[in-house]
Amino acid sequence: VQLVESGGGLVKPGGSLRLSCSASGFSFSDSFMGWIRQAPGKGLEWVAYISSGKSYTNYADSVKGRFTISRDNAQNSMYLQMNSLRAEDTAVYYCARDAFGVVIMNHYFDHWGQGTLVTVSS
Amino acid sequence: DIQMTQSPPSLSASVGDRVTITCRASQSISTYLNWYQLKPGKAPKLLIYSASTLQSGVPSRFSGSGSGTDFTLTISSLQPEDYATYSCQHSYSAPITFGQGTRLEIK
Repeated sequence: VQLVESGGGLVKPGGSLRLSCSASGFSFSDSFMGWIRQAPGKGLEWVAYISSGKSYTNYADSVKGRFTISRDNAQNSMYLQMNSLRAEDTAVYYCARDAFGVVIMNHYFDHWGQGTLVTVSS
Repeated sequence: DIQMTQSPPSLSASVGDRVTITCRASQSISTYLNWYQLKPGKAPKLLIYSASTLQSGVPSRFSGSGSGTDFTLTISSLQPEDYATYSCQHSYSAPITFGQGTRLEIK
């Protein structure tokens, strides 16, 4: 299993960024997927997840209305469109497989990427 | 939102020690509790899901227990590679939340 994030970087407050996650080694189209972030010196924070068929998404309140999660099952890829970025969005963003439905109906993250750093600063 | 509180925030232990980390939920979450190991510059690693089920490939010295609001992660005999930060996560209801982490340091 491999998950590789890309698209991070430095962006000004109010700006936009699109993160990508390329997946391999498992049945991507059958898997829920999620984004989790870790701000400097802080704990993990769940950001969003998307169902395997793209029909269901869920977001943390802190990003609702600003971030959009999406996926392309033909490309084995997931995306996070981040708009209206704020300084508090500065974090390492991880792509992860959400194992919901694999064994039981429990959202846990069994495979993670190495993360991509997003810095929001003027 | 359900708040997850870990204790202690940090602890020091020696190789071979038995270590226990606690995670408390602000309301009952049944067994919808998962544990992760975090190391700087590396992908986080799932250790335990559903409170007590060991993830495939994780050494048996790791174990989890609890239900309702109180959960524990135990390392039966600490190994050098276990020095890391450990984080709990609930999935009982949206939003998913994580504990603030417990940093395990070498004594």
